[in-house]
Amino acid sequence: GENVEQHPSTLSVQEGDSAVIKCTYSDSASNYFPWYKQELGKRPQLIIDIRSNVGEKKDQRIAVTLNKTAKHFSLHITETQPEDSAVYFCAATRRSNDYKLSFGAGTTVTVRA
Amino acid sequence: GAVVSQHPSRVICKSGTSVKIECRSLDFQATTMFWYRQFPKQSLMLMATSNEGSKATYEQGVEKDKFLINHASLTLSTLTVTSAHPEDSSFYICSATDTGLATGELFFGEGSRLTVL
Repeated sequence: GENVEQHPSTLSVQEGDSAVIKCTYSDSASNYFPWYKQELGKRPQLIIDIRSNVGEKKDQRIAVTLNKTAKHFSLHITETQPEDSAVYFCAATRRSNDYKLSFGAGTTVTVRA
Repeated sequence: GAVVSQHPSRVICKSGTSVKIECRSLDFQATTMFWYRQFPKQSLMLMATSNEGSKATYEQGVEKDKFLINHASLTLSTLTVTSAHPEDSSFYICSATDTGLATGELFFGEGSRLTVL
């Protein structure tokens, strides 16, 4: 099955700086890569996703890049704000697997004011 | 966007009792729902895939008789933790995809925090 690895496990950045989280996946057939943000005690919220037919996607301060050859994808948050502090999870899946997600271990992001 | 509702949000029970958690897709049909378990400061661990009208598919290491899943309609899946013990205390989250859209986007319920005394 799919194995997703995520780094770093914790990330502390100064407000206004950028944060980058990297993930690798093992199943070359995976074609959908969502990123979730989870605040303490809350449900995961989808913040951005990317499909295998594109290499980059951007939504305001958040961007995701995908390298299919290397089987890795990254989340970039620019101009970080205190409200960006949360746990971020990457995931990978494919439609033929009923979109059953395999999650990374998570990255705890702390934005220092 | 699509809404998934999970109930109860918190439940405390005595050891040996059974607890049922409901997961509903409020504005879309979901032939497939997923149940996850999350320990503090850890990732979401998939427990089982709930399929409407058929048996659930359990992940390796998850006891079928311990965690009963029923997906009787296109909008409701239930997880019953039978004969609960303190080690079953955890955050349980369900999720569903909109079968009609088939985009792969998962919508999560609010989660249910189970505490077994």
